Amino acid sequence: DQQVKQNSPSLSVQEGRISILNCDYTNSMFDYFLWYKKYPAEGPTFLISISSIKDKNEDGRFTVFLNKSAKHLSLHIVPSQPGDSAVYFCALGGTGFQKLVFGTGTRLLVSP
Amino acid sequence: DTGVSQDPRHKITKRGQNVTFRCDPISEHNRLYWYRQTLGQGPEFLTYFQNEAQLEKSRLLSDRFSAERPKGSFSTLEIQRTEQGDSAMYLCASSLGGGPGANVLTFGAGSRLTVL
Repeated sequence: DQQVKQNSPSLSVQEGRISILNCDYTNSMFDYFLWYKKYPAEGPTFLISISSIKDKNEDGRFTVFLNKSAKHLSLHIVPSQPGDSAVYFCALGGTGFQKLVFGTGTRLLVSP
Repeated sequence: DTGVSQDPRHKITKRGQNVTFRCDPISEHNRLYWYRQTLGQGPEFLTYFQNEAQLEKSRLLSDRFSAERPKGSFSTLEIQRTEQGDSAMYLCASSLGGGPGANVLTFGAGSRLTVL
């Protein structure tokens, strides 16, 4: 029972362009949504989050969009930088959830 | 505070041996989580503590796995009679429960287990 899906295992983008990472979920009870970034040999690092009462949250180059009716979450990075190259996980949780449920991850490669 | 610390970072063991991992969370965090990550997958929840009480365990956590958090501070995860399928990265995370921050987990660097 895969509640959270990231259908693109990898994404390649040129420096300066926009990176769009997507996440789909099935359980409408989730009401808090996060993105984590992971470099090799390190643990996941929190990047940005959004609650279900919003549809957009922006932090510098990073913007998260939430479409509750479509059960879809996306992360936009603009402009993309080579240092953004990492694996990105969406994670879902919220009221009534004691834990986060993670997607399978998307490996982003930003080339100079 | 140096964040979430995990020890050891790497462990290679033979099948059938017991291994123990330690996690030191951020000191003011009352919630502590153990996750497991295998190649090509996202972190999978194993178990969760609020203070010293273990409140939830995943079905992934077989009888060979046991976790403790004495006194609500550090935690240990022990795997008995290891199997090759236990090879994975074991991640510890902590958070401050009781508000929006409860959903934001801070992870350690992980303990990588290789079972030969």
